[in-house]
Parts: sequence; C-alpha cells; structure tokens
Amino acid sequence: NAGVTQTPKFQVLKTGQSMTLQCAQDMNHNSMYWYRQDPGMGLRLIYYSASEGTTDKGEVPNGYNVSRLNKREFSLRLESAAPSQTSVYFCASSRGRNSYEQYFGPGTRLTVT
Amino acid sequence: ELKVEQNPLFLSMQEGKNYTIYCNYSTTSDRLYWYRQDPGKSLESLFVLLSNGAVKQEGRLMASLDTKARLSTLHITAAVHDLSATYFCAGYSGGGADGLTFGKGTHLIIQP
Repeated sequence: NAGVTQTPKFQVLKTGQSMTLQCAQDMNHNSMYWYRQDPGMGLRLIYYSASEGTTDKGEVPNGYNVSRLNKREFSLRLESAAPSQTSVYFCASSRGRNSYEQYFGPGTRLTVT
Repeated sequence: ELKVEQNPLFLSMQEGKNYTIYCNYSTTSDRLYWYRQDPGKSLESLFVLLSNGAVKQEGRLMASLDTKARLSTLHITAAVHDLSATYFCAGYSGGGADGLTFGKGTHLIIQP
C-alpha cells in the first residue's frame, strides 16, 4: 500500500510555463484534495474532488485547474506559472466528506522563477 | 467561514518542561485535527477530536477539545528533543467547501 503518491517531488519552472502535478491514491478513497503550503502559513485548500467526475474550488483556486481522471488520480495544472505560485503542494485523500481521516502525500516543491 | 488561529507561532523550550499550544477557531467545527510536520516532510496525523470534552493522549502529547469555547489544546509533558517539529491544528466546518482549514502552525524547538 503506497498510500498517496505525488510526482514530481521537485520542479523549477520559468514564469509563463505550464505543468501538471500528479497525485494518485491506492486506498479506494472517494475524496481527494490539493493544498498549498507557503512559508509561515498553514496549508490552504486549492481544489477538491468529492467523487470521481466532480471538482470544486477551495480557498485559493485562482491560477489552477484540476482533473479527477478516475477514482485514483487527481491532477493539478498550472497553465501559466507565476512566481506567486512558488510553494509546496500537497495532495490528500479521504474516504469521503463524513470520514474524519485525511491522508497526505509527500508533497511537490515548486519554484517559479 | 471557518478561521483557525494558533498560538504561540514559535516556541523554544527546554527538555523536561511542560507546555501547551492553543488553537482557537471562529465558527462551529465538526472536528478538530492536530498534525505534526518535520522539516521538508509531509503531515503526520496526531489526533482527531470529534466531540466536546474529547481528550486523546499519545505518549507525551495530549489533545483536548472544548467546542463551547471553540478551543483545542495540545499539551506536551516532559518534552524531549524528538518532539521538535511544527504542529498544526485544523478544523472542518462540514458545510460549504470540503477540506480542512489550517492554523499557521507552531514551530516548536526543544533544547537539551
């Protein structure tokens, strides 16, 4: 059981470039989430997916798009990266809205220059 | 909208001492979480508190929840160096957006 996996672990982008962060879980969870963590801040929710085929905005969705490809995978896309998107991105999953455990992936450290 | 505030944000203490981290939240939260994060690592779940008066303990850490005061505490007993980390509390409002609302974290350094 790998839990929640994320790729890549590190990435450096130039302003204006695009990229997709990948997340997969093998726990048969319904809900998946993308958070960002900035220095001195807690995590902030970017987008979430309550079930396959649905996605919704969180607290800080601007500049991002997501795709729930299937039950296992939830990707986060930066169409035109900006320095303000330099952050550590965490993916998480849970059985569902009424489930009280969220499991976090190892994170992707993204730098936009 | 749920807001979560932790204090202190930074804490340096000596081994063997006791201390408490406080977590206040602004509106009803169905449940309250405590996580630990080591530098460069992901979040490790410590406790999930589901109801008023809930108390959970694991080793030298004890967490409690007072929903009437909208307050959770994480108490450290006889601190040891291995507990040095950043501790986050997070709430879940249950309505609106799914996902957790985090405090800014308490950076804890325990010195020998």
